[in-house]
Amino acid sequence: DVKVTQSSRYLVKRTGEKVFLECVQDMDHENMFWYRQDPGLGLRLIYFSYDVKMKEKGDIPEGYSVSREKKERFSLILESASTNQTSMYLCASTIWGARSQETQYFGPGTRLLVL
Amino acid sequence: DQQVKQNSPSLSVQEGRISILNCDYTNSMFDYFLWYKKYPAEGPTFLISISSIKDKNEDGRFTVFLNKSAKHLSLHIVPSQPGDSAVYFCAASKGGSEKLVFGKGMKLTVNP
Repeated sequence: DVKVTQSSRYLVKRTGEKVFLECVQDMDHENMFWYRQDPGLGLRLIYFSYDVKMKEKGDIPEGYSVSREKKERFSLILESASTNQTSMYLCASTIWGARSQETQYFGPGTRLLVL
Repeated sequence: DQQVKQNSPSLSVQEGRISILNCDYTNSMFDYFLWYKKYPAEGPTFLISISSIKDKNEDGRFTVFLNKSAKHLSLHIVPSQPGDSAVYFCAASKGGSEKLVFGKGMKLTVNP
C-alpha cells in the first residue's frame, strides 16, 4: 500500500517563526507536490518537484520554499510564518509518466495555525 | 483566474437517489479530468477520471460525463450512500503534465 506521511497533523506557530513541514513517501515516486487547501479556494499548488534537488513553482509559491535532498522526502519551508499562511497543507506524490495523475497519492494533511 | 470551476459549494441528497456534481473549465488545452473525494482530516483520494477522447466513463456507482463543446463535466453517483458524504474536487490537466488544476470543491451530504 502506498503511504504518504506528513510529520505533523496539527501545528501552532507564531508570526515570524520558521516552519518546516515534512513529507515522506514510501513508493519511490519521482514527483512530489505541496498544496494548501482553504475554504472556498480548493487545492492550490505551492511547489512541486520531479526529481531530487529539482523544484518548480506552482501557482502560489510566495512566502514558501522547498527542499528535496532525498527522493522520498519533500519539505515545505515557511521562512517567516504569517497569519495568512494559516491553512491545511497537503503533500502528494506520484510516479513519473503520462496519466499518472490519478495515482497522485495524498498525505493526511497538516493543519497549521499561525498566531 | 479560476480555470476549473465548481460553482455549487454544497449538495444534499437522500440515500438511494442520484447525486450529480458539476464542474466547468475554461482552458481548452485540458485533456484529462479527474474527480477526487476528501473526507475530513484525510487527504483527497482519487475517484474516477476521463480522457478528452471519451464522453463517458463508468466505475460501479460512479459515472463521469464530459461535454467538450460546453467545457463541462459531471459526476453521477447512483445510488447515493451516506458514506459518499465528503468534499468532491474536480481536477484537470493538460498535455500529459503531472500538474493538476483543482476546483474549489463541493460538499456532498447524503442523508439516511
